[in-house]
Amino acid sequence: ELKVEQNPLFLSMQEGKNYTIYCNYSTTSDRLYWYRQDPGKSLESLFVLLSNGAVKQEGRLMASLDTKARLSTLHITAAVHDLSATYFCAVGSMGTDKLIFGTGTRLQVFP
Amino acid sequence: DVKVTQSSRYLVKRTGEKVFLECVQDMDHENMFWYRQDPGLGLRLIYFSYDVKMKEKGDIPEGYSVSREKKERFSLILESASTNQTSMYLCASRPGQMYGYTFGSGTRLTVV
Repeated sequence: ELKVEQNPLFLSMQEGKNYTIYCNYSTTSDRLYWYRQDPGKSLESLFVLLSNGAVKQEGRLMASLDTKARLSTLHITAAVHDLSATYFCAVGSMGTDKLIFGTGTRLQVFP
Repeated sequence: DVKVTQSSRYLVKRTGEKVFLECVQDMDHENMFWYRQDPGLGLRLIYFSYDVKMKEKGDIPEGYSVSREKKERFSLILESASTNQTSMYLCASRPGQMYGYTFGSGTRLTVV
């Protein structure tokens, strides 16, 4: 059974600092996704990672995928307050249409 | 942009009522999904559909059913609502397996 773990669950960081969110998963997968959710809102797609070594960047966020280690990272560079949100990774279950979500990382950026 | 529309943002229903949550997407997507989101538990898949009249159970289908009579519409049905079904319900769609989801804005259901 595919299980997805994110850490940390909560992250409070100062503006201008760098940090990384980790997403580990338990069985082989061929696709991994990152989403952002603002309080009271729905989920917004950030990145789609489909191959080993894939790296995608958008602004201050960069996501990477290591399928051999079953690990994805979401790196935050020089954090700003607008990045405060909950970030979810989701992993595709092989041979099915299902995505299994991690429990999310709640990020708070303060001045 | 793809739009996924959930008919209600907030609903309050009584225990035992039959509840319909509606979801419509406007981009001819094959796959549609219903998740519920609860604090500390993340998103859990209830049901999904990869074509009209096709449905598959997700991880927590008990107490729910679904209907997909037309490609653009995927309905979640709570046959007899219970208080443990109080949750945020999220609908999503995508064109195929290698694509990310587009989520609707969510329906916050409270069962009293």
